[in-house]
Amino acid sequence: AQSVTQLDSHVSVSEGTPVLLRCNYSSSYSPSLFWYVQHPNKGLQLLLKYTSAATLVKGINGFEAEFKKSETSFHLTKPSAHMSDAAEYFCVVSDASGTYKYIFGTGTRLKVLA
Amino acid sequence: EAQVTQNPRYLITVTGKKLTVTCSQNMNHEYMSWYRQDPGLGLRQIYYSMNVEVTDKGDVPEGYKVSRKEKRNFPLILESPSPNQTSLYFCASSLTGVMFQPQHFGDGTRLSIL
Repeated sequence: AQSVTQLDSHVSVSEGTPVLLRCNYSSSYSPSLFWYVQHPNKGLQLLLKYTSAATLVKGINGFEAEFKKSETSFHLTKPSAHMSDAAEYFCVVSDASGTYKYIFGTGTRLKVLA
Repeated sequence: EAQVTQNPRYLITVTGKKLTVTCSQNMNHEYMSWYRQDPGLGLRQIYYSMNVEVTDKGDVPEGYKVSRKEKRNFPLILESPSPNQTSLYFCASSLTGVMFQPQHFGDGTRLSIL
């Protein structure tokens, strides 16, 4: 069965410093992996997706993630945090097992300090 | 504009009074899905639909019904709502349910069952 674990429920960084949000996945098949962002009282917006074409995936707003099969990880990074990055971030896995389900992590709330 | 539209956005109702949350997408997507979001639990999939007349259970289907009579619509039905169904609900759609297809989310429906 597929699953996803976001290792930190809350992360605080200072504006201008790097961001690292950690995600580990479990999947018996080749996974599809996504990161979504949810700003307060808003819906979810796709940040980036892993398509198997490249292990380093670039997304919107300067975010990127690296797929590491040996570590079953898909961590989200950004070189320099901006105040507008404060939001909740979700790692999502879906695999080719035929269940057509999307499994969400429990989320990481990012706080950006001035 | 490509969008997923949910109605109502907010609803307060009482235990046992049947309610329907509508979801409509204008992108000709085959795959549609319902999620509930609860604090600390992330998003959990309730039901999904691969296409018209094809629906299947997600991880938390108890107490919910769905139907997919038209491609664009995927209503969520609570036949006899209970307080434990108080939650934030999201509808989502994607082109297909196969790998690498990201989902587009509605703005959410906040349900309170008293």
